[in-house]
Amino acid sequence: GEKVEQHESTLSVREGDSAVINCTYTDTASSYFPWYKQEAGKSLHFVIDIRSNVDRKQSQRLIVLLDKKAKRFSLHITATQPEDSAIYFCAASWSNNRIFFGDGTQLVVKP
Amino acid sequence: AQTIHQWPVAEIKAVGSPLSLGCTIKGKSSPNLYWYWQATGGTLQQLFYSITVGQVESVVQLNLSASRPKDDQFILSTEKLLLSHSGFYLCAWSLRRANQAPLFGEGTRLSVL
Repeated sequence: GEKVEQHESTLSVREGDSAVINCTYTDTASSYFPWYKQEAGKSLHFVIDIRSNVDRKQSQRLIVLLDKKAKRFSLHITATQPEDSAIYFCAASWSNNRIFFGDGTQLVVKP
Repeated sequence: AQTIHQWPVAEIKAVGSPLSLGCTIKGKSSPNLYWYWQATGGTLQQLFYSITVGQVESVVQLNLSASRPKDDQFILSTEKLLLSHSGFYLCAWSLRRANQAPLFGEGTRLSVL
């Protein structure tokens, strides 16, 4: 089955800098890549997604890049703020019924 | 607007006791429904999914079962809890069409002692 690897288990940046979280996937059939944010003690909150028919998507300070050839996708958070501190999960899916998650990246934004 | 409600918010249960967790989705008919489990500080494991009433597919066996008795309700249960069942249980829903991110409920935190 699909395997999603999230490369950074922890990431620490200074407020105002950019943060980049990288993920790779194994199944070439994967066509949908959502990202989630989990604050301490809380549930997952959907933040942005990208479909395989595009290679870049932006929503305010969040940018997702997709490289289908390398089977790699990444989340870029620009102008980071302390409230961006959380665990971020990448995921990949080729079917509406199965979504595979990475292990999560703990992002710490230092003032 | 769609809302998803999970109950209870938290449970402390004894090993060997039964468990029933619930999830209700309001404002959307015929959603896809999912159960996920997250070990403390860990990754998410999809347990079950359902595309329609009475139909539930198991993704991983963890001595748990799921049922969808109504279009808007998804139940996770077991007759005998294990210590390894401790964790955070998350219900999620998505539209029937392909490639839509599941949206999660607030979760149930389970401690098995």
